[in-house]
Amino acid sequence: AQTVTQSQPEMSVQEAETVTLSCTYDTSENNYYLFWYKQPPSRQMILVIRQEAYKQQNATENRFSVNFQKAAKSFSLKISDSQLGDTAMYFCAFAEMDSSYKLIFGSGTRLLVRP
Amino acid sequence: GAGVSQSPSNKVTEKGKDVELRCDPISGHTALYWYRQSLGQGLEFLIYFQGNSAPDKSGLPSDRFSAERTGGSVSTLTIQRTQQEDSAVYLCASTSPQAYEQYFGPGTRLTVT
Repeated sequence: AQTVTQSQPEMSVQEAETVTLSCTYDTSENNYYLFWYKQPPSRQMILVIRQEAYKQQNATENRFSVNFQKAAKSFSLKISDSQLGDTAMYFCAFAEMDSSYKLIFGSGTRLLVRP
Repeated sequence: GAGVSQSPSNKVTEKGKDVELRCDPISGHTALYWYRQSLGQGLEFLIYFQGNSAPDKSGLPSDRFSAERTGGSVSTLTIQRTQQEDSAVYLCASTSPQAYEQYFGPGTRLTVT
């Protein structure tokens, strides 16, 4: 069975600085998707960034980028120029390329951006 | 356009009562998912609907949990004879055809007293 591990329960970063959140996963599949979701106190899960396993190029979305290491089964999220609005829980998630794409989530990292 | 909506936002119920949670997916989205977010278990997949296909119920924790999707749109998650361990936030998500990105609703916080 696939598993997703986030080893950092909490992280803190100064506004405008850069922070990296870690995620590792375990799977025997070769084709899959990886995601980072943000969950602010409002509870709404917001997709931050996604990566297809068959793509070698790391995904980027504005201030958010990933370091995808397929062989190491690692998928870290880098947030540059951190903003107060980035304060939230961040969940790493895995989806197998089967018919359902159901998400398997890590336990989350609580990120606090300090002013 | 409108996002995924869920109702009620919060629900408090007594142990042993039945509850129904509702999800309205984004218009045109054919796939619908239910997840549960609890302190002890984190985020767990419950059930998946895709069009007229048989749902994937592999994540439902017990036979007290059931879900249906009427007309390929609105879905209702029903929990019978609620227990305190059912207390959690229940999240719904939907996906458009030919896509895999899931868009989530704001969730329903269920508290069983």
